[in-house]
Amino acid sequence: NAGVTQTPKFQVLKTGQSMTLQCAQDMNHNSMYWYRQDPGMGLRLIYYSASEGTTDKGEVPNGYNVSRLNKREFSLRLESAAPSQTSVYFCASSLGASNTGELFFGEGSRLTVL
Amino acid sequence: SQQGEEDPQALSIQEGENATMNCSYKTSINNLQWYRQNSGRGLVHLILIRSNEREKHSGRLRVTLDTSKKSSSLLITASRAADTASYFCVLRAGSSYKLIFGSGTRLLVRP
Repeated sequence: NAGVTQTPKFQVLKTGQSMTLQCAQDMNHNSMYWYRQDPGMGLRLIYYSASEGTTDKGEVPNGYNVSRLNKREFSLRLESAAPSQTSVYFCASSLGASNTGELFFGEGSRLTVL
Repeated sequence: SQQGEEDPQALSIQEGENATMNCSYKTSINNLQWYRQNSGRGLVHLILIRSNEREKHSGRLRVTLDTSKKSSSLLITASRAADTASYFCVLRAGSSYKLIFGSGTRLLVRP
C-alpha cells in the first residue's frame, strides 16, 4: 500500500524556472493538501482541495498554482521559482470533512532555488 | 496567531525516561492531533483527542487536553532511542480544512 507518493524527491532550480510537483494517493481520500516546511518550523498550508474539482488557497499561496487532476492526483506548480521558495514540500491527504481530519503525508520533496 | 506553541522547543532525555511535551493554543478547537516527524521524513499521525475528551492513551502515548486552559500535553513513557524525532501539535478549528501546525518539539533520546 503506497499511501501518498510525491515526485520528485529532490530538485534544484534556477531563479525564474518553472516546475511541477506531483502527488498521488491510493487511499480513495477526498481531500488533498500541499504544505511547505522551512527549517525549524511547522508546516504551512499552501493550497488544499476539499474534494475533486475544488481548490482553495491556504496561508501562503503566492507564487504557486495547483491542479486537482482527478481524485487521486494533486499537483503543485511553481511558475517562476524564487529563492524564497526553497523549502521542503509535503503533500497530504485525508478522508474528508466528515472524518476526524487525520492527515496522511508523503515523504516530501526538497526544492532548492538558486 | 492561532497556531499551537510547543514547549519545550527541544528536549534531551535518557532512554527509559519519560518525555513530556506541551502545546498551548489560542483558538477554539474541534480536535487536537499529535504528529511525529523523523528527520528528513514525512509526518506520521500519532493520536487525536477531541474537544470533549480530557485524556487519551495509545500504547506508550498519553495525551491530555484542557480546553479551559487551551493546552494539551503529550507524554511518552519509557522512551526509546527510536522515539528521537520532532513532535508537532496540530489544531483543527471547527470544520476548517486548515489544520494549524505548531513549530514542534525536537526530542532526542540518548541510548
